[in-house]
Amino acid sequence: NAGVTQTPKFRVLKTGQSMTLLCAQDMNHEYMYWYRQDPGMGLRLIHYSVGEGTTAKGEVPDGYNVSRLKKQNFLLGLESAAPSQTSVYFCASSDQLESGANVLTFGAGSRLTVL
Amino acid sequence: AQTVTQSQPEMSVQEAETVTLSCTYDTSESDYYLFWYKQPPSRQMILVIRQEAYKQQNATENRFSVNFQKAAKSFSLKISDSQLGDAAMYFCAYRAPLSGNTPLVFGKGTRLSVIA
Repeated sequence: NAGVTQTPKFRVLKTGQSMTLLCAQDMNHEYMYWYRQDPGMGLRLIHYSVGEGTTAKGEVPDGYNVSRLKKQNFLLGLESAAPSQTSVYFCASSDQLESGANVLTFGAGSRLTVL
Repeated sequence: AQTVTQSQPEMSVQEAETVTLSCTYDTSESDYYLFWYKQPPSRQMILVIRQEAYKQQNATENRFSVNFQKAAKSFSLKISDSQLGDAAMYFCAYRAPLSGNTPLVFGKGTRLSVIA
């Protein structure tokens, strides 16, 4: 019962390098999200997807790109990493419950440090 | 845009005592959903409790209950008989009705310490 799996769990990058965070869910959820968590800032939405092949911007999308080519995967890319992108990144997924109160299932988080 | 405010960055409680975490939100919607998530040191986000705005009855889950005041746009979390395992960051979150396809909006969190 894997739920939501994020890889890698830890990564250190140099400024200007690129990388991709992978999120995989095995619950057949329609919705997927990428959040970042910074001290004193809570969780802020970067991008999200409401279904395969769709993506939308969240609160803090600049410097990130995403893709949802397969329903179970949601990729978050950093084309040119900056120290301001040092953060813990969380992926989450949810289904469209009839009540609308779709509950998020979170991954374990990925800690990214940009030097 | 909707906002969620948690005015207490840190709280502490003695083991076995009761503590209340505050949350207020801003919205013009009449139907929406509210959540409390717990994040222990393991970093895993865990749903604690949720409330549908159209329900007047406050949600409860074992030792966790909420005080939902719709007119005041307040959604506080009460933890009774606090245990050491309750020590964590607690996040309040808001979600508009599904038709808007709007994701969760989180508050900045309250760090709860439990003193033995």
